[in-house]
Amino acid sequence: GAGVSQSPSNKVTEKGKDVELRCDPISGHTALYWYRQRLGQGLEFLIYFQGNSAPDKSGLPSDRFSAERTGESVSTLTIQRTQQEDSAVYLCASSQTSGVVETQYFGPGTRLLVL
Amino acid sequence: AQSVSQHNHHVILSEAASLELGCNYSYGGTVNLFWYVQYPGQHLQLLLKYFSGDPLVKGIKGFEAEFIKSKFSFNLRKPSVQWSDTAEYFCAVTPMNSGYSTLTFGKGTMLLVSP
Repeated sequence: GAGVSQSPSNKVTEKGKDVELRCDPISGHTALYWYRQRLGQGLEFLIYFQGNSAPDKSGLPSDRFSAERTGESVSTLTIQRTQQEDSAVYLCASSQTSGVVETQYFGPGTRLLVL
Repeated sequence: AQSVSQHNHHVILSEAASLELGCNYSYGGTVNLFWYVQYPGQHLQLLLKYFSGDPLVKGIKGFEAEFIKSKFSFNLRKPSVQWSDTAEYFCAVTPMNSGYSTLTFGKGTMLLVSP
């Protein structure tokens, strides 16, 4: 597609439920990033995928968070047993390659509200 | 680890006023610097970036930023703002030799331009 797409746009869930967020990167982009933006905060790095290499999960805040990506395609971010502090906008970005710094292109985000 | 500080959380200007948004980073090595903008209801977009060379970088929509290495700063400027510049602005940094380009963001500055 023309840009990074994410779904759903908005998600309201109850505390304790699991949620799954989806990201479709720009076609041909090998690097994919997940970030979180909580109210009044900057973006926090969560996880990074580069091709078929092992992902960098160093930003995941707890073991309730996990993400998968198959090859250079769609990625899903899963939050298990959601808590109110998980409420945030979850942003996905992709870039052409890695190893050298490349511009990241961001999706519109998924706004998650945990009641 | 690197960090980014944006001095102003909110800025209110009248149209035609000059703009300068402060950004300072802390990191001991060489960095790449970015300004991203998020217009109301839209996703994060790249405004400009500095990788190397001329420290005065020109971006889209008349914005520019100057990298001052001795001050660890990358302030964003525009001589005359327009109502359409109302948006949230994020400064971001990544170490040049990080192997990949995970961005560290500041908390953002919300700019409101009154007509």
